[in-house]
Amino acid sequence: QLVLTQSPSASASLGASVKLTCTLSSGHSTYAIAWHQQLPEKGPRYLMKINSDGSHAKGDGIPDRFSGSSSGAERYLTISSLQSEDEADYYCQTWGSGIVVFGGGARLTVL
Amino acid sequence: QVQLQESGPGLVKPSETLSLTCTVSGASISSSTNYWGWIRQPPGEGLEWIGSASDSGRTEYNPSLKSRVTISVDTSKNQFSLRLRSVIGADTAVYYCARGQGWFDPWGQGTLVTVS
Repeated sequence: QLVLTQSPSASASLGASVKLTCTLSSGHSTYAIAWHQQLPEKGPRYLMKINSDGSHAKGDGIPDRFSGSSSGAERYLTISSLQSEDEADYYCQTWGSGIVVFGGGARLTVL
Repeated sequence: QVQLQESGPGLVKPSETLSLTCTVSGASISSSTNYWGWIRQPPGEGLEWIGSASDSGRTEYNPSLKSRVTISVDTSKNQFSLRLRSVIGADTAVYYCARGQGWFDPWGQGTLVTVS
């Protein structure tokens, strides 16, 4: 069964970096995923797609502070030089065999 | 750029049918091989994929909702629609439309539908 697992929360200080993790279920380690950002009271916004080889494709206007990487069944979103406006919920998403799956989301708090 | 906008009733009675429309601007809904999807988010919860459809009529649905959902594309109006039958309180959510087969980009701003 295709499942994405995210830690529900993360925090980091203003100006620091944070790395969010999304883990693919067993047997699905080659799947690509996408990251979406949801600011408070807003709709989600596509950030980037990450392939199993770590290559990624960002959405329009996404700052260079946002980057993606991959290792095994884990897909990462790294945000550097954290700003207050990065405080949001971050969802990973994958797809395959006619279905789409979202992770449970991670709430990022900027201290 | 491509923009999507959801529209439809904000209040639906239990056992009735929820109907929403997504209007696409900035691109033709029948261009390339795009799929168009619906996603929902119950209050305070995460995102749940409902289903997706192509302009050629191919559809894919969340197995947990498949028996109650129909998604259709109207190329003449550059719109696509969601129908969710026999709604219950647990169907109360913000409903988003989005473009994509695979990853979704862009998203609409969402519309709250309350079942009561």
